Amino acid sequence: AQKVTQAQTEISVVEKEDVTLDCVYETRDTTYYLFWYKQPPSGELVFLIRRNSFDEQNEISGRYSWNFQKSTSSFNFTITASQVVDSAVYFCALSRARGGADGLTFGKGTHLIIQP
Amino acid sequence: DVKVTQSSRYLVKRTGEKVFLECVQDMDHENMFWYRQDPGLGLRLIYFSYDVKMKEKGDIPEGYSVSREKKERFSLILESASTNQTSMYLCASSLMGTGAYTEAFFGQGTRLTVV
Repeated sequence: AQKVTQAQTEISVVEKEDVTLDCVYETRDTTYYLFWYKQPPSGELVFLIRRNSFDEQNEISGRYSWNFQKSTSSFNFTITASQVVDSAVYFCALSRARGGADGLTFGKGTHLIIQP
Repeated sequence: DVKVTQSSRYLVKRTGEKVFLECVQDMDHENMFWYRQDPGLGLRLIYFSYDVKMKEKGDIPEGYSVSREKKERFSLILESASTNQTSMYLCASSLMGTGAYTEAFFGQGTRLTVV
């Protein structure tokens, strides 16, 4: 069975601090995809990144970076120099069968609070 | 831009009522999904569909059914609403893709309260 664990329920930091959100996954699939979504207070989930299981390169996009380590089944997300606008709930997700066409398995989310 | 539109942002229904939640996407996506989101539980998949008139059960289909008569529209049906179905419901769609899965795009959510 698949599982995504986000052990941090809530994180609170002061603006400009760096923060890392942890994600650990379990799957028996050899090919799979991992995702991060952001859910601001408005409620709509916003796609941030997709990573396939064959690509372990770290990725950086502006202040965001992602560290995928297959050996530890982790896909962690770091925000550098956090800003108040980063406050949101962040979800890590794993593709179900058929590359995700059967939907995603989500973690329970991490509520990130950036204090001014 | 892909747009997934859910018919209602907030809905209040009575126990035992039949409830329809509507979702429309405008990008000709093959795959459509219904999730429910509850505090401390994250998002859980209720049903999904990868073609017109096709439907598959997700992890928590009990008490729900779905309908997909047209490619762009995916409806979630609560046959007899109960208070434990009070939740945030999120619709999503994605392209089938050719070997590579594309990200799912989500609607704004419908917060359903059953009283």
